[in-house]
Amino acid sequence: RKEVEQDPGPFNVPEGATVAFNCTYSNSASQSFFWYRQDCRKEPKLLMSVYSSGNEDGRFTAQLNRASQYISLLIRDSKLSDSATYLCVVKGGRRALTFGSGTRLQVQP
Amino acid sequence: DAGVIQSPRHEVTEMGQEVTLRCKPISGHNSLFWYRQTMMRGLELLIYFNNNVPIDDSGMPEDRFSAKMPNASFSTLKIQPSEPRDSAVYFCASSFRMEEKLFFGSGTQLSVL
Repeated sequence: RKEVEQDPGPFNVPEGATVAFNCTYSNSASQSFFWYRQDCRKEPKLLMSVYSSGNEDGRFTAQLNRASQYISLLIRDSKLSDSATYLCVVKGGRRALTFGSGTRLQVQP
Repeated sequence: DAGVIQSPRHEVTEMGQEVTLRCKPISGHNSLFWYRQTMMRGLELLIYFNNNVPIDDSGMPEDRFSAKMPNASFSTLKIQPSEPRDSAVYFCASSFRMEEKLFFGSGTQLSVL
């Protein structure tokens, strides 16, 4: 089983739609969780950290469910500029950050 | 700040040749990471350093790969001899501390023919 698993998509949604991605992780001792965004042929960039209580940044909401070992990312009012690959990232113990394979989002006009 | 700087941006080489990728982390960051990205396997951690010391190299595919960090401002990833299956984008990233967010360089697109 992969350490971090994501649905690769693509998710094709119209502008203005709400879309949600889930990500599961296998190491129950994982301590830190993040969502990164990667545009085509570019480097990954931090989108937001994921806190136990859940957190929101504008149109983006991230949540953590430790019991079920998954994190989620919700994007409201999708924009064309949100089209990208979203990478779920987990850190457990002494290991460095482990990246999921990413979920591709395509927002269509 | 200039960000993480990688060179070269693109490298095309023939099988069997030695390839050296270079990285300059953000000044003041003490953790440096080398990742490889392919369509099939996504982003894979190859090795990371903390205060110039290699901490975990379990992701290095085989002995053909080696990485060094002679000082806080420079790291290299070397492949010798290179093989076509090494073709990928190689990213270097740095962070202030291991558990904090990573800043990635623009990557090196490696093609081994």
